[in-house]
Amino acid sequence: AQSVTQPDIHITVSEGASLELRCNYSYGATPYLFWYVQSPGQGLQLLLKYFSGDTLVQGIKGFEAEFKRSQSSFNLRKPSVHWSDAAEYFCADYGQNFVFGPGTRLSVLP
Amino acid sequence: GAGVSQSPSNKVTEKGKDVELRCDPISGHTALYWYRQSLGQGLEFLIYFQGNSAPDKSGLPSDRFSAERTGGSVSTLTIQRTQQEDSAVYLCASSLVGAGGSDEQFFGPGTRLTVL
Repeated sequence: AQSVTQPDIHITVSEGASLELRCNYSYGATPYLFWYVQSPGQGLQLLLKYFSGDTLVQGIKGFEAEFKRSQSSFNLRKPSVHWSDAAEYFCADYGQNFVFGPGTRLSVLP
Repeated sequence: GAGVSQSPSNKVTEKGKDVELRCDPISGHTALYWYRQSLGQGLEFLIYFQGNSAPDKSGLPSDRFSAERTGGSVSTLTIQRTQQEDSAVYLCASSLVGAGGSDEQFFGPGTRLTVL
């Protein structure tokens, strides 16, 4: 069955440090990959998406993600984390069904 | 309004009662989705409406769950004979055309359901 995994349940980084959140998908055909952020009390907000073309995609709030078919990965990165980035991050694949990963909770230390 | 709205924002009910959750999609969006987010879990797809096509009900966990979409706009998710395991946040999303999975979904704030 189609699945999305996010191996890290919780990550803590210091403000200003770099960040990488991991995402792996299982759908073998063309995936439609998304990263969403959910802040406390807020709805889900789209950060970025990948369908085809350039495998490095830029999103909002300084985030980027790289699609690597050989590794079935779509990892999210940010070069310098801000305290306001503390939130829950979800990776999703709409390639066959609408499947979300379990989420990674990001904490940011001052 | 400009975004997806859901009502009520919170619902507390007793085990065995029926509940109805409402979703108002963004005007002009033809596709509508329902998800369930349990505590500490990711989103679980429930049902998907696309225009006048038959809905994709493949994610509904049991026959106690049903949804309808009237006039291609507002949708109601109904849970009959609620159980404690139904406690979760129910999220609704809409998208412009819903074609092929590439369409961005816009999410509402959710309805937090608590079954006592």
